[in-house]
Amino acid sequence: GENVEQHPSTLSVQEGDSAVIKCTYSDSASNYFPWYKQELGKGPQLIIDIRSNVGEKKDQRIAVTLNKTAKHFSLHITETQPEDSAVYFCAASKMAGTYKYIFGTGTRLKVLA
Amino acid sequence: KAGVTQTPRYLIKTRGQQVTLSCSPISGHRSVSWYQQTPGQGLQFLFEYFSETQRNKGNFPGRFSGRQFSNSRSEMNVSTLELGDSALYLCASKREASNIDEKLFFGSGTQLSVL
Repeated sequence: GENVEQHPSTLSVQEGDSAVIKCTYSDSASNYFPWYKQELGKGPQLIIDIRSNVGEKKDQRIAVTLNKTAKHFSLHITETQPEDSAVYFCAASKMAGTYKYIFGTGTRLKVLA
Repeated sequence: KAGVTQTPRYLIKTRGQQVTLSCSPISGHRSVSWYQQTPGQGLQFLFEYFSETQRNKGNFPGRFSGRQFSNSRSEMNVSTLELGDSALYLCASKREASNIDEKLFFGSGTQLSVL
């Protein structure tokens, strides 16, 4: 069935270093891939997204890359800061208008000061 | 612009009871979906409503139901509560003004504890 695998489940980095979180999706019809950040006691917040017709997208310190052939997509955070500490979720969606997002299991990122 | 609003923030119920959770989407958003979040299962899709109609449904038992009103506000109901229903229930909304309008915005959730 539809599945999104996310790795690693936990990640600790020193402040200023880069962090990379990887996801693999199973349904080749997926064409929209958002990333969410969830802080303690809050709902997931959309931080960046990418569509299948784009290979890479960047927004300040955050970037997402997509390899459609391998069905992989990754989140890259550069110059990490303590406030980047949170749980990050990737997701895959099959088409616009269909609301069944499939989420990865999450990565708990800790940025050590 | 206000975000997705969920009430109540916390709920404590006992087994066998029923519960109703409420969600007000972002103004102008017509699609509302519900997710269950647990430490072991992550984010699981419950159902989605658009224009007062259920458009999509996840793999949850019939004890889980929902509805959407004409103002796009949505409610979710869980009957005959079980211990395993303890979770954070998240509501999310989407504008869908066009067929490429995929961005999904979440509320802060309702934390349900079943004792």
